[in-house]
Amino acid sequence: NAGVTQTPKFRVLKTGQSMTLLCAQDMNHEYMYWYRQDPGMGLRLIHYSVGEGTTAKGEVPDGYNVSRLKKQNFLLGLESAAPSQTSVYFCASSPYGGAGELFFGEGSRLTVL
Amino acid sequence: QQQVKQSPQSLIVQKGGISIINCAYENTAFDYFPWYQQFPGKGPALLIAIRPDVSEKKEGRFTISFNKSAKQFSLHIMDSQPGDSATYFCAASRRAGGTSYGKLTFGQGTILTVHP
Repeated sequence: NAGVTQTPKFRVLKTGQSMTLLCAQDMNHEYMYWYRQDPGMGLRLIHYSVGEGTTAKGEVPDGYNVSRLKKQNFLLGLESAAPSQTSVYFCASSPYGGAGELFFGEGSRLTVL
Repeated sequence: QQQVKQSPQSLIVQKGGISIINCAYENTAFDYFPWYQQFPGKGPALLIAIRPDVSEKKEGRFTISFNKSAKQFSLHIMDSQPGDSATYFCAASRRAGGTSYGKLTFGQGTILTVHP
């Protein structure tokens, strides 16, 4: 059973380039999340979705866009990458939202030069 | 602003010792407090969680202590083992209602190292 799968696992970008991170879950969960993890900062919520076709801003949404066209997929886009977006990105899904267990992917490490 | 503050940032204990990690929160609407464990190269995974109607929850060697009046909660790892070496995150959320629904707010994380 795959659970939550993130692609790609590693990516190096130049400043100003764009890219999309894909998250796919096979657990039929309603809620999906994108977090970024930086040393000493913990996990900070970028955007989240409470169901297919919905998205909402989290704690640090600037510079990112998301889409949830299908229930099983949650895409995170960077339109014009900046060095400050160098981070490890984690996708998570949950059947009950933030008041229940979140199931995380293994992360996508992004470096912006 | 950081709504959940976690300390210490790093912790070193000897095998068999007790590891204690503390968290404090600001939002009194929070009513769900989980702890997540993360091994290098992996995503976080739920370890144990508590709701504010109880002051303590124990699962094996892991115990959450909760102090609602002080808005603090802590993770105790008894008989710490080298295999417990990982990063631990506390978190908080509210179950329903308001604009916070569906969002889990994490602390800064604690890197635990257990020496053999």
